[in-house]
Amino acid sequence: AQSVTQPDIHITVSEGASLELRCNYSYGATPYLFWYVQSPGQGLQLLLKYFSGDTLVQGIKGFEAEFKRSQSSFNLRKPSVHWSDAAEYFCAVGGEGGSEKLVFGKGTKLTVNP
Amino acid sequence: DVKVTQSSRYLVKRTGEKVFLECVQDMDHENMFWYRQDPGLGLRLIYFSYDVKMKEKGDIPEGYSVSREKKERFSLILESASTNQTSMYLCASKENYGYTFGSGTRLTVV
Repeated sequence: AQSVTQPDIHITVSEGASLELRCNYSYGATPYLFWYVQSPGQGLQLLLKYFSGDTLVQGIKGFEAEFKRSQSSFNLRKPSVHWSDAAEYFCAVGGEGGSEKLVFGKGTKLTVNP
Repeated sequence: DVKVTQSSRYLVKRTGEKVFLECVQDMDHENMFWYRQDPGLGLRLIYFSYDVKMKEKGDIPEGYSVSREKKERFSLILESASTNQTSMYLCASKENYGYTFGSGTRLTVV
């Protein structure tokens, strides 16, 4: 069964610092990987996704993620964090097939200090 | 732009009530999903549907049922609401590998 682990429940960084959020997945076939962001009281917004091809994926808001098959990881990065990036971040894995469900990690809450 | 609309943003219901959460998509997608979101637990799949009148249980279907009479509408039903069903409920639809989420319904059962 597919699963996603986000090892960090809560991360605090200073504004302007770099950020890396970790995500490890378990999936028996070719994974389709996603990062979503959720601001307080808001719905989920897709940051980026990986299906195939270049393992470094660029997303919105200056985020990127790197797929490493050997490590079963899909870590999210940003070189310089802004105060508006404070939110909760969810990694998710899906698969081939039209009805394939999306399985989420438990989320990482990001706090940004001024 | 694609759109998934959940009819209520906030709902307060009493224990034992039958509750309907509605979700409508305007993209002609075949696949629709209901998730529940709780702090520290992330999003957990309740039910999904891959076609009209077709449904499959997700990871936590107990206490819930669903209805999909038309392609664009997927309803989540709490037959007899209980306080442990107080949560944020998110609907999503999917085509190929694009998932679109609604804004969510925050349900409180008192």
